[in-house]
Amino acid sequence: KAGVTQTPRYLIKTRGQQVTLSCSPISGHRSVSWYQQTPGQGLQFLFEYFSETQRNKGNFPGRFSGRQFSNSRSEMNVSTLELGDSALYLCASSLEPDRTSPQYFGPGTRLTVL
Amino acid sequence: KQEVTQIPAALSVPEGENLVLNCSFTDSAIYNLQWFRQDPGKGLTSLLLIQSSQREQTSGRLNASLDKSSGRSTLYIAASQPGDSATYLCAVSPLMAGTASKLTFGTGTRLQVTL
Repeated sequence: KAGVTQTPRYLIKTRGQQVTLSCSPISGHRSVSWYQQTPGQGLQFLFEYFSETQRNKGNFPGRFSGRQFSNSRSEMNVSTLELGDSALYLCASSLEPDRTSPQYFGPGTRLTVL
Repeated sequence: KQEVTQIPAALSVPEGENLVLNCSFTDSAIYNLQWFRQDPGKGLTSLLLIQSSQREQTSGRLNASLDKSSGRSTLYIAASQPGDSATYLCAVSPLMAGTASKLTFGTGTRLQVTL
């Protein structure tokens, strides 16, 4: 069974631009979560989607948004990029958004903002 | 607000040694705790998941324990190998209904196993 895939793997953008990252969960998984990883703040929860609905959201500004499609694939968008948005963005999927389902992570998208 | 700390931040051991990684959390209202490994520039690989009602979980050379009341978990690695070199992260899932996916991660322990 294929794992979580994320595209693109690497991105370079300039300040003020916007970016869209994509995540395809493991087949059959319906819950998708996004995390941001930076050297200074570590791994931080961005948001979670299930059945095309955002269930939870972390403490990030409104420039960060996401959505989920009917096939469970998810995208996240960051508008008006800032230097501090440079990070590894990780997507994780699980069968259901319940407590017994472990989360499986993708390889991440490395975003560099110049 | 949940805070998760891992000690030590970095560890170097010779091959074959047994080792223990520590994870502590401030809010004992957790539903489960997961241990992950992360190789440089890569995503996370789930190693073990312990439900709050469990005391430990084992997988091969790995054994994770959980003491929810004291806010501690340990990851024991037996007979370490160079391939175990990676950053190890623990993450807790909150008890509050509907928030299971909001994992709070620790700061990580960077492990190097030398020949």
